[in-house]
Amino acid sequence: GAVVSQHPSWVICKSGTSVKIECRSLDFQATTMFWYRQFPKQSLMLMATSNEGSKATYEQGVEKDKFLINHASLTLSTLTVTSAHPEDSSFYICSASSFRTANTGELFFGEGSRLTVL
Amino acid sequence: KQEVTQIPAALSVPEGENLVLNCSFTDSAIYNLQWFRQDPGKGLTSLLLIQSSQREQTSGRLNASLDKSSGRSTLYIAASQPGDSATYLCAVDGGYNKLIFGAGTRLAVHP
Repeated sequence: GAVVSQHPSWVICKSGTSVKIECRSLDFQATTMFWYRQFPKQSLMLMATSNEGSKATYEQGVEKDKFLINHASLTLSTLTVTSAHPEDSSFYICSASSFRTANTGELFFGEGSRLTVL
Repeated sequence: KQEVTQIPAALSVPEGENLVLNCSFTDSAIYNLQWFRQDPGKGLTSLLLIQSSQREQTSGRLNASLDKSSGRSTLYIAASQPGDSATYLCAVDGGYNKLIFGAGTRLAVHP
């Protein structure tokens, strides 16, 4: 149980286009979903926190107009990288907490999505 | 601002050795500390979660300790195997399940 799926697992796009990455909790309802980005050989950096039906909360330095987050249901959050540029190339990972584990700190991570912008 | 540091950055050992990976954090006001494993190009696998009130957690050959007052945690891997080769990430939860990660220790265990 507690599986989080990300799609696509990798994507290549041209500079200036927009790319959408989906994060789904397959067998549980996610109270909160988190989006991280990871540059090669670097740590994961939290980008934003999203709760179903409300606006995402972005970390300092993350452009909310650049990285659009939608959390339309308790099992799906999407990250859209708008007008992507080569510097947006990165590994994007989502995680989710469930109602059952919200107070324990246990989180479930997706497999990640590698974005390459040409 | 919370900062998490992991030492060493990389480690290469022969199979069978016992290992200690270190993690330190600057702000002791944490809810929990977690250790993850990340294989190349993959997501994260949770290894151990230590609540702020706990001192250690064990799972199989893994043992993690937490000294909150000194801002330190160690991950002990017993009898290392080639399959343990991966990057090990330490993360602290300062509240609301928002994790702050260290840069990781890249472990290579050779036969």
